[in-house]
Amino acid sequence: KNEVEQSPQNLTAQEGEFITINCSYSVGISALHWLQQHPGGGIVSLFMLSSGKKKHGRLIATINIQEKHSSLHITASHPRDSAVYICAVPSYMYSGGGADGLTFGKGTHLIIQP
Amino acid sequence: ETGVTQSPTHLIKTRGQQVTLRCSSQSGHNTVSWYQQALGQGPQFIFQYYREEENGRGNFPPRFSGLQFPNYSSELNVNALELDDSALYLCASSPSGSSYNEQFFGPGTRLTVL
Repeated sequence: KNEVEQSPQNLTAQEGEFITINCSYSVGISALHWLQQHPGGGIVSLFMLSSGKKKHGRLIATINIQEKHSSLHITASHPRDSAVYICAVPSYMYSGGGADGLTFGKGTHLIIQP
Repeated sequence: ETGVTQSPTHLIKTRGQQVTLRCSSQSGHNTVSWYQQALGQGPQFIFQYYREEENGRGNFPPRFSGLQFPNYSSELNVNALELDDSALYLCASSPSGSSYNEQFFGPGTRLTVL
């Protein structure tokens, strides 16, 4: 079964700072998901990536498949970026086919202060 | 294009009761996954439905069951509710039965068991 570790667990920064959130996983994968969850519940998919780097606005996600590591960066952070950021990977719980869902990290609770 | 919707938003039940939660998948998606997110934890995979069949299951007891309908909407049923079933229940739809595709999450149903 895939295990996911995220760091840091909590991060408080000032508006405008460059933010980095890290994710490591134990089993080689073909795709990793970065998700955002605001207080109150709803989860939004930010990125799904299998190699290299993806950019969307001020968000950048990178992945190193060989090192089983991914990072999420936020440039010019803003208070509206305050949320929990979660990485998720395929669980690989089943060997005989069938879906196994995603295994999620515990999330990074980000607070951006004005 | 309609996103993933869930109903109800909030629900309060008592121990021993039964509950049904509903999810409408995004247009064009034939796969729905259900997750349970306890307070302060990452989501845990319950099961996935692909073209009306259960396509994979996490470590949840049989009192957690589901259905998928021809329009690919889905239900999660929980019998004999326990206090520990209190959680946010999330569904996610994707275009095929694989964890390697981008998952689109609904806003969740918050279940409280008293």
